[in-house]
Amino acid sequence: DTAVSQTPKYLVTQMGNDKSIKCEQNLGHDTMYWYKQDSKKFLKIMFSYNNKELIINETVPNRFSPKSPDKAHLNLHINSLELGDSAVYFCASSHATGITYEQYFGPGTRLTVT
Amino acid sequence: LAKTTQPISMDSYEGQEVNITCSHNNIATNDYITWYQQFPSQGPRFIIQGYKTKVTNEVASLFIPADRKSSTLSLPRVSLSDTAVYYCLVGDNFNKFYFGSGTKLNVKP
Repeated sequence: DTAVSQTPKYLVTQMGNDKSIKCEQNLGHDTMYWYKQDSKKFLKIMFSYNNKELIINETVPNRFSPKSPDKAHLNLHINSLELGDSAVYFCASSHATGITYEQYFGPGTRLTVT
Repeated sequence: LAKTTQPISMDSYEGQEVNITCSHNNIATNDYITWYQQFPSQGPRFIIQGYKTKVTNEVASLFIPADRKSSTLSLPRVSLSDTAVYYCLVGDNFNKFYFGSGTKLNVKP
């Protein structure tokens, strides 16, 4: 039974399109995150939600908009996709917000913008 | 935000002990040190966390000297399946944390 799941696993699209990535966790956690990992394995946090409230909002273009309909879901919508958006996007969850709380990561969504 | 510095990559052979050191000179009093492991094509997973001295679990040991300005992740008798990227994070629950690019460990037969 998958703890943190993401859909789709692969996403290939053209520049200028709008796409969404969905994330669900069944761990009962209060906090969820979105991360971006580039080709050099640099992993950077983008957003964090706690109980559907935005906690962390890193310097991310406003083309990226997270939405948390409930504690178990955190979706990422990306408008006007650009070549530089190509990366692997990871969703994660933890019991609460903060480094001392173990984060559980999803399998990732590989986004390729052509 | 405590900045961390790790080697970009390391090579090892099966059966050896591997030590990966992370430097965090500006670590704050309330900061913890956390390590994650990421296998190819997977999301990172938590390995170990500590505040001072030594912490050991079934996967690894974490050594933290008294000044806490560095930490060493120790993997005993590595196997090919330990080939992964290892991330060192430093911070508390009230500040942002930083994964960076980690250390790519390549275990050879």
